[in-house]
Amino acid sequence: NAGVTQTPKFRVLKTGQSMTLLCAQDMNHEYMYWYRQDPGMGLRLIHYSVGEGTTAKGEVPDGYNVSRLKKQNFLLGLESAAPSQTSVYFCASRLTTGNSYEQYFGPGTRLTVT
Amino acid sequence: GENVEQHPSTLSVQEGDSAVIKCTYSDSASNYFPWYKQELGKRPQLIIDIRSNVGEKKDQRIAVTLNKTAKHFSLHITETQPEDSAVYFCAATRGGGFKTIFGAGTRLFVKA
Repeated sequence: NAGVTQTPKFRVLKTGQSMTLLCAQDMNHEYMYWYRQDPGMGLRLIHYSVGEGTTAKGEVPDGYNVSRLKKQNFLLGLESAAPSQTSVYFCASRLTTGNSYEQYFGPGTRLTVT
Repeated sequence: GENVEQHPSTLSVQEGDSAVIKCTYSDSASNYFPWYKQELGKRPQLIIDIRSNVGEKKDQRIAVTLNKTAKHFSLHITETQPEDSAVYFCAATRGGGFKTIFGAGTRLFVKA
């Protein structure tokens, strides 16, 4: 089991460029999440999905779009990158059954927008 | 809106001492409270969690307490070791578990 993987690990964009971050999980989890992590601000939820074909907004959704066409993949898109989107992005997934709501995180993507 | 406040932002202790991190949540519908540990450059990982129908939970050197009335919960680490040095995040999840709101994190330094 690879768990949760993210592609790419690092990326530098110029203002106005677009890109897609890919998250993949092989644990058959229903729920998937995208967070951004900035110094002193913890993990803030961007968008999440409760199943294939569904997405919902989190705390800080502006400037991002997501898609969940396949259960194992959750894509995060930046249509026109801004310096304020410089951050470390984490994807996570979790089961919907059982007593724990534990989220399993990917290794993160460090994005710099110049 | 939903909010989780975490204190302190930085904590420095001597090896062998105890460390306590406190969190307060605003959403009274929250019923699941996990704690994640993030080592430098690594991904967050769950270390302990507690549900709202339990007041305390312990796992070796770490314990979590919950006061639902006051909407407070705390992480206690005893006999700290240098490998406990990391950023710790508390979080609160409301019933249904769709969304988890994280605190801003506490950077713990354990001095040898």
